[in-house]
Amino acid sequence: DIQMTQSPSFLSASLGDRVTITCRASQDIGHDLRWYQQRPGQAPERLIYFASVLQSGVPSRFSGSGSGTEFTLTISNMQPEDFATYYCLQHNVYPRAFGQGTKVEIK
Amino acid sequence: EVQVVESGGGLVKPGGSLRLSCAASGFIFSDAWMSWVRQAPGKGLEWIGYIKNKFEGGAADVAAPVKGRFTISRDDSKNMVYLQMNSLKTEDTAVYYCWYGHFDYWGQGTLVTVAS
Repeated sequence: DIQMTQSPSFLSASLGDRVTITCRASQDIGHDLRWYQQRPGQAPERLIYFASVLQSGVPSRFSGSGSGTEFTLTISNMQPEDFATYYCLQHNVYPRAFGQGTKVEIK
Repeated sequence: EVQVVESGGGLVKPGGSLRLSCAASGFIFSDAWMSWVRQAPGKGLEWIGYIKNKFEGGAADVAAPVKGRFTISRDDSKNMVYLQMNSLKTEDTAVYYCWYGHFDYWGQGTLVTVAS
């Protein structure tokens, strides 16, 4: 089974900051990587699919990159609504696997 | 409008059973490979299993932590998918989401609490 290692688990940021979250897959998953945002009490919402394609309606300050085993989510110019928890997901093979999550809090 | 609605959660004692239901509408359910994802309180997302569409065989599988205890089934005539949970443990306490992963349709989740 593929394991997804996401880092950091927690980070503190200020409004306007640039934030980077990394996900590493235990084996090559090509571009089959999604990024989700989850707010407390809500279901996850997709931000990025196929590693770098921005979901319609998601602000352009979100971007994704990477392929194979190393992936990055970048949020430039942090806004108040961006303070949330972020997850990566590999959808290359079953069983699917989420990263452990990154909680982004206000510094 | 797409709707995915879970039901059946509640409080159950360790060793007990519970069946969760997921009602879907607004998309071609018979084509969908449906999954269940759970989230323990204060923890991350955990994919726990899926079921293929009937055209592709209809097989289901679950993740290692629940294998032998949880099974997934579907009724395409009702646009429903089910999660049968047996031999429940306290560590199964979580919000359980029904998920159509291909299009990322999520339900609102249903809380299962396993406690004596």
